[in-house]
Amino acid sequence: DTAVSQTPKYLVTQMGNDKSIKCEQNLGHDTMYWYKQDSKKFLKIMFSYNNKELIINETVPNRFSPKSPDKAHLNLHINSLELGDSAVYFCASSHGDFNQETQYFGPGTRLLVL
Amino acid sequence: AQSVTQLDSQVPVFEEAPVELRCNYSSSVSVYLFWYVQYPNQGLQLLLKYLSGSTLVKGINGFEAEFNKSQTSFHLRKPSVHISDTAEYFCAVIKTGGFKTIFGAGTRLFVKA
Repeated sequence: DTAVSQTPKYLVTQMGNDKSIKCEQNLGHDTMYWYKQDSKKFLKIMFSYNNKELIINETVPNRFSPKSPDKAHLNLHINSLELGDSAVYFCASSHGDFNQETQYFGPGTRLLVL
Repeated sequence: AQSVTQLDSQVPVFEEAPVELRCNYSSSVSVYLFWYVQYPNQGLQLLLKYLSGSTLVKGINGFEAEFNKSQTSFHLRKPSVHISDTAEYFCAVIKTGGFKTIFGAGTRLFVKA
């Protein structure tokens, strides 16, 4: 059973399109995250939700909007895609008092904007 | 604010040799420290973490790391590497009571036969 799953695994799209990436965790965790990993493997937090409440909202363009319909899901919607949005996006989750807890990562969504 | 520096972007090593991946952090407050590993085309997974107590932390796959507060370091070591250890390794820090984990730029460990 996959603990943290993301769909789709690959996403190739044209500039200007709107796309969504879905994330689900079956670990019963309270906190979920979105990270962006660029071509140099640099990993940066974008958003974090704890019990469906937005906790971290880093300096990302407002074209990116997270949505958490319930504790087990955190989706990422991206409007008006740009070339610079090409990256691997990772969803992660952790339990409870999340600052010392292990984060469990999904397999990533490889987004390529043409 | 916290920051993490991984001093080597790539570390090539022969199979069965020892390896050390270096990590230094800066913070004016107490922190928790983590090492994660990313195998090709996969997400990250935890190797080990330091929260408190003994400064020598043992993790999975034979890895260990030592927290050195005076040198603000958390270097990762393995006495004998395998081909299967080839991966990207990330050091990460979060301040105690904080919300945001800061990751280093990663070190690519390449184990050669």
